[in-house]
Amino acid sequence: RKEVEQDPGPFNVPEGATVAFNCTYSNSASQSFFWYRQDCRKEPKLLMSVYSSGNEDGRFTAQLNRASQYISLLIRDSKLSDSATYLCVVNDDGGYNKLIFGAGTRLAVHP
Amino acid sequence: NAGVTQTPKFRVLKTGQSMTLLCAQDMNHEYMYWYRQDPGMGLRLIHYSVGEGTTAKGEVPDGYNVSRLKKQNFLLGLESAAPSQTSVYFCASGGTGWVNTEAFFGQGTRLTVV
Repeated sequence: RKEVEQDPGPFNVPEGATVAFNCTYSNSASQSFFWYRQDCRKEPKLLMSVYSSGNEDGRFTAQLNRASQYISLLIRDSKLSDSATYLCVVNDDGGYNKLIFGAGTRLAVHP
Repeated sequence: NAGVTQTPKFRVLKTGQSMTLLCAQDMNHEYMYWYRQDPGMGLRLIHYSVGEGTTAKGEVPDGYNVSRLKKQNFLLGLESAAPSQTSVYFCASGGTGWVNTEAFFGQGTRLTVV
Protein backbone atom coordinates (compact mmCIF):
# COMPACT_ATOMS: atom_id res chain seq x y z
CA ARG A 1 0.00 0.00 0.00
CA LYS A 2 1.34 3.46 -0.91
CA GLU A 3 1.97 5.80 1.99
CA VAL A 4 -0.11 8.57 0.44
CA GLU A 5 -2.81 7.78 -2.12
CA GLN A 6 -4.75 10.12 -4.35
CA ASP A 7 -7.20 9.75 -7.19
CA PRO A 8 -5.08 10.68 -10.23
CA GLY A 9 -7.98 12.19 -12.15
CA PRO A 10 -8.07 14.07 -14.41
CA PHE A 11 -10.99 16.06 -13.15
CA ASN A 12 -12.45 18.08 -16.02
CA VAL A 13 -14.82 20.76 -14.72
CA PRO A 14 -16.39 23.95 -16.09
CA GLU A 15 -15.57 27.34 -14.68
CA GLY A 16 -17.58 28.04 -11.55
CA ALA A 17 -17.86 24.40 -10.54
CA THR A 18 -17.07 23.02 -7.12
CA VAL A 19 -14.60 20.15 -7.07
CA ALA A 20 -13.27 17.98 -4.25
CA PHE A 21 -10.08 15.95 -4.03
CA ASN A 22 -9.43 13.18 -1.55
CA CYS A 23 -6.27 11.71 -0.12
CA THR A 24 -5.58 8.85 2.29
CA TYR A 25 -2.39 8.22 4.24
CA SER A 26 -1.09 5.09 5.90
CA ASN A 27 1.03 6.32 8.82
CA SER A 28 -1.22 7.04 11.78
CA ALA A 29 1.66 8.86 13.50
CA SER A 30 1.82 11.56 10.83
CA GLN A 31 1.61 15.03 12.31
CA SER A 32 1.55 17.51 9.45
CA PHE A 33 -0.48 17.64 6.30
CA PHE A 34 -0.38 19.91 3.28
CA TRP A 35 -1.77 20.50 -0.18
CA TYR A 36 0.73 21.59 -2.82
CA ARG A 37 -0.01 22.80 -6.29
CA GLN A 38 2.17 21.95 -9.29
CA ASP A 39 1.82 23.57 -12.68
CA CYS A 40 3.00 21.75 -15.77
CA ARG A 41 6.79 21.32 -15.78
CA LYS A 42 7.17 23.58 -12.74
CA GLU A 43 8.16 22.99 -9.15
CA PRO A 44 5.51 22.27 -6.49
CA LYS A 45 4.39 25.18 -4.35
CA LEU A 46 2.51 25.17 -1.07
CA LEU A 47 -1.21 25.79 -1.48
CA MET A 48 -2.23 25.38 2.13
CA SER A 49 -1.55 23.50 5.31
CA VAL A 50 -4.27 21.25 6.70
CA TYR A 51 -5.25 21.61 10.34
CA SER A 52 -7.26 19.24 12.52
CA SER A 53 -10.13 21.69 12.82
CA GLY A 54 -10.27 22.26 9.09
CA ASN A 55 -9.24 25.50 7.46
CA GLU A 56 -10.27 27.78 4.65
CA ASP A 57 -8.32 30.12 2.40
CA GLY A 58 -10.60 32.01 0.06
CA ARG A 59 -12.15 29.50 -2.33
CA PHE A 60 -10.14 26.61 -0.90
CA THR A 61 -11.14 24.48 2.09
CA ALA A 62 -9.05 21.69 3.57
CA GLN A 63 -10.29 19.03 5.96
CA LEU A 64 -8.50 16.38 8.00
CA ASN A 65 -10.02 13.24 9.47
CA ARG A 66 -7.39 11.57 11.65
CA ALA A 67 -9.59 8.61 12.57
CA SER A 68 -10.02 7.67 8.92
CA GLN A 69 -6.56 8.97 7.91
CA TYR A 70 -8.17 11.04 5.21
CA ILE A 71 -7.53 14.54 3.86
CA SER A 72 -9.66 16.54 1.47
CA LEU A 73 -9.43 19.71 -0.57
CA LEU A 74 -12.51 21.55 -1.79
CA ILE A 75 -12.27 24.21 -4.48
CA ARG A 76 -15.30 26.41 -4.96
CA ASP A 77 -16.07 28.62 -7.96
CA SER A 78 -13.29 27.07 -10.07
CA LYS A 79 -11.23 29.39 -12.25
CA LEU A 80 -9.29 28.59 -15.39
CA SER A 81 -6.15 29.43 -13.43
CA ASP A 82 -6.89 26.59 -10.99
CA SER A 83 -5.90 24.08 -13.68
CA ALA A 84 -2.92 22.23 -12.23
CA THR A 85 -1.95 19.08 -10.39
CA TYR A 86 -2.74 19.05 -6.67
CA LEU A 87 -0.39 17.09 -4.45
CA CYS A 88 -1.33 15.71 -1.06
CA VAL A 89 1.66 15.78 1.27
CA VAL A 90 2.10 14.09 4.63
CA ASN A 91 4.87 14.39 7.16
CA ASP A 92 6.24 10.95 7.95
CA ASP A 93 6.57 11.20 11.69
CA GLY A 94 9.33 8.66 11.98
CA GLY A 95 11.45 11.15 13.86
CA TYR A 96 13.04 12.76 10.82
CA ASN A 97 10.21 14.90 9.50
CA LYS A 98 10.38 13.76 5.90
CA LEU A 99 7.63 14.79 3.53
CA ILE A 100 5.85 12.08 1.56
CA PHE A 101 4.01 13.13 -1.58
CA GLY A 102 1.01 11.59 -3.22
CA ALA A 103 1.12 11.11 -6.99
CA GLY A 104 -1.19 14.07 -7.48
CA THR A 105 -4.65 14.77 -8.85
CA ARG A 106 -4.88 16.65 -12.12
CA LEU A 107 -7.52 19.33 -12.49
CA ALA A 108 -8.53 20.87 -15.81
CA VAL A 109 -10.98 23.79 -15.67
CA HIS A 110 -12.58 24.67 -19.00
CA PRO A 111 -14.60 27.71 -20.13
CA ASN B 1 15.42 36.38 -3.03
CA ALA B 2 17.07 33.29 -4.47
CA GLY B 3 15.34 30.69 -2.25
CA VAL B 4 16.36 27.26 -3.54
CA THR B 5 18.62 27.09 -6.58
CA GLN B 6 19.41 23.93 -8.52
CA THR B 7 22.16 23.50 -11.06
CA PRO B 8 22.18 22.43 -13.79
CA LYS B 9 18.64 22.83 -15.13
CA PHE B 10 19.10 20.37 -17.99
CA ARG B 11 21.60 17.60 -18.65
CA VAL B 12 22.03 14.70 -21.02
CA LEU B 13 24.31 11.88 -19.88
CA LYS B 14 25.52 8.72 -21.49
CA THR B 15 25.02 5.45 -19.66
CA GLY B 16 27.82 4.93 -17.18
CA GLN B 17 28.77 8.59 -16.84
CA SER B 18 28.73 10.31 -13.49
CA MET B 19 27.47 13.71 -12.44
CA THR B 20 26.62 15.82 -9.43
CA LEU B 21 23.52 17.93 -9.00
CA LEU B 22 23.90 20.92 -6.73
CA CYS B 23 21.18 22.39 -4.53
CA ALA B 24 21.74 25.63 -2.65
CA GLN B 25 19.35 27.38 -0.25
CA ASP B 26 19.70 30.77 1.38
CA MET B 27 16.92 30.45 3.98
CA ASN B 28 19.01 28.85 6.73
CA HIS B 29 16.83 25.72 6.63
CA GLU B 30 17.89 22.60 8.50
CA TYR B 31 16.04 20.11 6.32
CA MET B 32 16.88 19.45 2.70
CA TYR B 33 15.48 16.83 0.34
CA TRP B 34 16.09 15.33 -3.07
CA TYR B 35 13.09 13.98 -4.98
CA ARG B 36 12.64 12.53 -8.42
CA GLN B 37 9.44 12.87 -10.40
CA ASP B 38 8.38 10.49 -13.13
CA PRO B 39 5.13 10.59 -15.12
CA GLY B 40 2.28 9.15 -13.09
CA MET B 41 4.55 8.43 -10.10
CA GLY B 42 4.50 11.70 -8.24
CA LEU B 43 7.53 12.82 -6.27
CA ARG B 44 9.58 10.08 -4.68
CA LEU B 45 12.09 10.83 -1.97
CA ILE B 46 15.66 9.80 -2.83
CA HIS B 47 17.67 11.10 0.14
CA TYR B 48 17.23 13.78 2.72
CA SER B 49 19.17 15.62 5.40
CA VAL B 50 18.09 16.96 8.77
CA GLY B 51 21.16 19.12 9.24
CA GLU B 52 24.72 19.81 8.23
CA GLY B 53 26.77 16.63 8.11
CA THR B 54 23.73 14.30 8.19
CA THR B 55 22.05 12.32 5.44
CA ALA B 56 19.43 9.59 5.33
CA LYS B 57 17.89 7.31 2.74
CA GLY B 58 14.47 7.93 1.35
CA GLU B 59 12.18 5.74 -0.69
CA VAL B 60 14.40 5.23 -3.78
CA PRO B 61 18.08 5.71 -2.75
CA ASP B 62 19.75 3.07 -4.93
CA GLY B 63 22.16 4.47 -7.50
CA TYR B 64 22.47 7.83 -5.76
CA ASN B 65 24.71 9.32 -3.10
CA VAL B 66 24.42 12.62 -1.27
CA SER B 67 26.49 14.93 0.87
CA ARG B 68 25.69 17.88 3.12
CA LEU B 69 29.06 19.35 4.04
CA LYS B 70 27.63 22.85 4.40
CA LYS B 71 24.21 23.71 5.75
CA GLN B 72 23.22 25.63 2.63
CA ASN B 73 24.22 22.97 0.10
CA PHE B 74 22.92 19.48 -0.61
CA LEU B 75 24.62 17.53 -3.40
CA LEU B 76 23.15 14.56 -5.25
CA GLY B 77 25.57 12.28 -7.07
CA LEU B 78 25.02 9.68 -9.74
CA GLU B 79 28.10 7.47 -9.87
CA SER B 80 27.16 5.46 -12.96
CA ALA B 81 24.09 6.79 -14.71
CA ALA B 82 21.48 4.40 -16.06
CA PRO B 83 18.53 5.08 -18.41
CA SER B 84 16.19 4.32 -15.48
CA GLN B 85 17.51 7.49 -13.84
CA THR B 86 16.03 9.64 -16.57
CA SER B 87 13.72 11.89 -14.60
CA VAL B 88 13.08 15.37 -13.28
CA TYR B 89 14.94 15.95 -10.02
CA PHE B 90 13.70 18.42 -7.44
CA CYS B 91 15.54 19.70 -4.43
CA ALA B 92 13.63 21.18 -1.51
CA SER B 93 14.41 22.73 1.84
CA GLY B 94 12.29 23.16 4.94
CA GLY B 95 12.34 24.75 8.36
CA THR B 96 13.12 23.26 11.72
CA GLY B 97 10.90 21.98 14.45
CA TRP B 98 8.97 18.84 15.23
CA VAL B 99 6.13 19.81 12.96
CA ASN B 100 7.36 20.47 9.49
CA THR B 101 6.96 23.88 8.01
CA GLU B 102 6.56 24.68 4.34
CA ALA B 103 9.03 23.08 1.95
CA PHE B 104 10.43 25.28 -0.80
CA PHE B 105 11.44 23.70 -4.07
CA GLY B 106 14.04 24.47 -6.67
CA GLN B 107 13.02 24.71 -10.31
CA GLY B 108 14.11 21.18 -11.08
CA THR B 109 16.79 19.46 -13.14
CA ARG B 110 15.70 17.57 -16.23
CA LEU B 111 18.09 14.67 -16.68
CA THR B 112 18.13 12.34 -19.65
CA VAL B 113 20.36 9.27 -19.67
CA VAL B 114 20.91 7.75 -23.10
